[in-house]
Amino acid sequence: GESVGLHLPTLSVQEGDNSIINCAYSNSASDYFIWYKQESGKGPQFIIDIRSNMDKRQGQRVTVLLNKTVKHLSLQIAATQPGDSAVYFCAENEGGANNLFFGTGTRLTVIP
Amino acid sequence: NAGVMQNPRHLVRRRGQEARLRCSPMKGHSHVYWYRQLPEEGLKFMVYLQKENIIDESGMPKERFSAEFPKEGPSILRIQQVVRGDSAAYFCASSPRGGNEQFFGPGTRLTVL
Repeated sequence: GESVGLHLPTLSVQEGDNSIINCAYSNSASDYFIWYKQESGKGPQFIIDIRSNMDKRQGQRVTVLLNKTVKHLSLQIAATQPGDSAVYFCAENEGGANNLFFGTGTRLTVIP
Repeated sequence: NAGVMQNPRHLVRRRGQEARLRCSPMKGHSHVYWYRQLPEEGLKFMVYLQKENIIDESGMPKERFSAEFPKEGPSILRIQQVVRGDSAAYFCASSPRGGNEQFFGPGTRLTVL
């Protein structure tokens, strides 16, 4: 079946560096994508979303890039801080579908 | 504006018992979703409900699992005759509209002994 997957299960970065978390998706009909951050023992927290009619969207310290040609999504975090340490999930939604499909997740560890 | 609330946060049951998980959506949200998460895995969709209606239960096991979202009160995910494989974190999300922009609660961690 269709799935959302991530290239790297773990990522370690130095505090202050930029982080890039990647995500591949296989459902070409997906038109809405979300990045969530999940800290240990907590629920997923919305970070940023993007629709398929966009290539890039920026938030506070975060940028999401969407490449529909290769079905690839990335989350860039600028000046990574210790508080950014968490598991990051990408999720996709096919237009009108009732639910989100989540990838496995990438664990980001920020080294002070 | 309070977020999505779930209770209990932790639930321990013995095999064969029943588990009841509650979810109160954000104020103004009438769409509720339940997801299950196993350790080190992503969330898997179970069921989508609106007030008094189950819209999509394609991700929910046919046996022992049921969900409701009554006109008054929280949404309930009910697991009968729990087995060890039911041990997981169960997350509820709510949305003002269907599909997108889902906001998640803190989850209920179910442990079956």
